[in-house]
Amino acid sequence: EVQLVESGGGLVKPGGSLRLSCAASGFTFSNAWMSWVRQAPGKGLEWVGRILSKANGGTTHYAAPVKGRFTISRDDSKNTLFLQMDSLKTDDTAVYYCTTHSYDAFNMWGQGTMVTVSS
Amino acid sequence: QSVVTQPPSASGTPGQRVTISCSGSSSSIGSNTVNWYQQLPGTAPKLLIDSNNQRPSGVPDRFSGSRSGTSASLAISGLQSEDEADYYCAAWDDSLNGVLFGGGTKLTVL
Repeated sequence: EVQLVESGGGLVKPGGSLRLSCAASGFTFSNAWMSWVRQAPGKGLEWVGRILSKANGGTTHYAAPVKGRFTISRDDSKNTLFLQMDSLKTDDTAVYYCTTHSYDAFNMWGQGTMVTVSS
Repeated sequence: QSVVTQPPSASGTPGQRVTISCSGSSSSIGSNTVNWYQQLPGTAPKLLIDSNNQRPSGVPDRFSGSRSGTSASLAISGLQSEDEADYYCAAWDDSLNGVLFGGGTKLTVL
């Protein structure tokens, strides 16, 4: 059974940093393209960024609002995806979901972890 | 400007057929496949339709998707109370080099 478990969320002040993790199991993580998707309270879904498999160069892509502040990485030896978030803004307050890809579709989702940016 | 647009709300009565539209651009829906997600209250989203019209395993055939030009639509036939949820379309956008989600449509079963 595919499982994605996010962790690392919490309360952080504007300008601060936070690192989210996503522990994956039930599939060959090293072959998977992975994304982060977020949802602000009461709002819709917003794609944050993705990382391709190492076989596809491990390339990363980011949404404009987070480019230069967020970094996606992966540790295939530990089946874990990361989202390093720096220079956080109040607009970054959201539930952050880790997802797997089937081509362009996000076919499996974690339960999400809440990030609150507030002074 | 790259935007994907959905109606904010839709409604229907049990047994009815409803459709939800999704409008994009030549760089998004016009060039790439559309995927649909269902988010039940208080839960994570779930993939409902991928590659414009493919149902993942376990999705009832009451749900169907289509794409034409720069628009797509999700149809739900034989509406049931458990279909009450938020529905999102999404597609890769070649000019943004990223995924665009529609704003979401809240479906109410009357």
